[in-house]
Amino acid sequence: DIQMTQSPSTLSASIGDRVTITCRASQSISSWLAWYQQRPGKAPKLLIYKASTLESGVPSRFSGSESGTEFTLTISSLQSEDFATYYCQQYNNYPKTFGQGTKVEIK
Amino acid sequence: QVHLEESGPGLVKPSQTLSLTCTVSGGSISSGGYYWSWIRQYPGKGLEWLGYIYYSGTTYYNPSLESRVSISVDTSQNQFSLTLTSVSAADTAVYYCARDRTIAGTTLSYGMDVWGQGTTVTVSS
Repeated sequence: DIQMTQSPSTLSASIGDRVTITCRASQSISSWLAWYQQRPGKAPKLLIYKASTLESGVPSRFSGSESGTEFTLTISSLQSEDFATYYCQQYNNYPKTFGQGTKVEIK
Repeated sequence: QVHLEESGPGLVKPSQTLSLTCTVSGGSISSGGYYWSWIRQYPGKGLEWLGYIYYSGTTYYNPSLESRVSISVDTSQNQFSLTLTSVSAADTAVYYCARDRTIAGTTLSYGMDVWGQGTTVTVSS
């Protein structure tokens, strides 16, 4: 199975901050990576697919990028509704695997 | 707008079989274009993809569970179901069904864009 390693596990930030979350794949997954946001008690929500394509309806402050096997989710200006846990998921190989999550907390 | 809703028992005894159903509304499973998937989330928050079914009945399962898991579809009821046999406490989790957009001509997809609200399953005697 492809291992997805996210960093950091927890991130403390303030409203308006630029936030970056990293996800590293254990082998090449091309660009087949998605990012999800999960608020407490809710299901995950798709934010980005194919590494950098914004899902319809997702605010433009979210963006994704890639460099080899390292992928980045950036929130350009953190809003109150963005405090949540973020997961990456690869879907280049089966089984599809998720990162362990990054919790974005209020500083 | 497509809506998914999981249903099934919240408590299952060890060694028994877990059965969950996902009812799809606002769209038809038979229309194609999607893998209908099951994912679970452990109490520690980790997510595990369990498998999917296409409307034609084609399935793909996580090899870590392949001997215990099966997914079926009932297009007449617009539902798909998960069965997990010989459960143990390690199968305690929130179970989600989700829609995964296929990429035509491949086994790839664009990510899971619609999720159910999740149902908590506890395995305990």
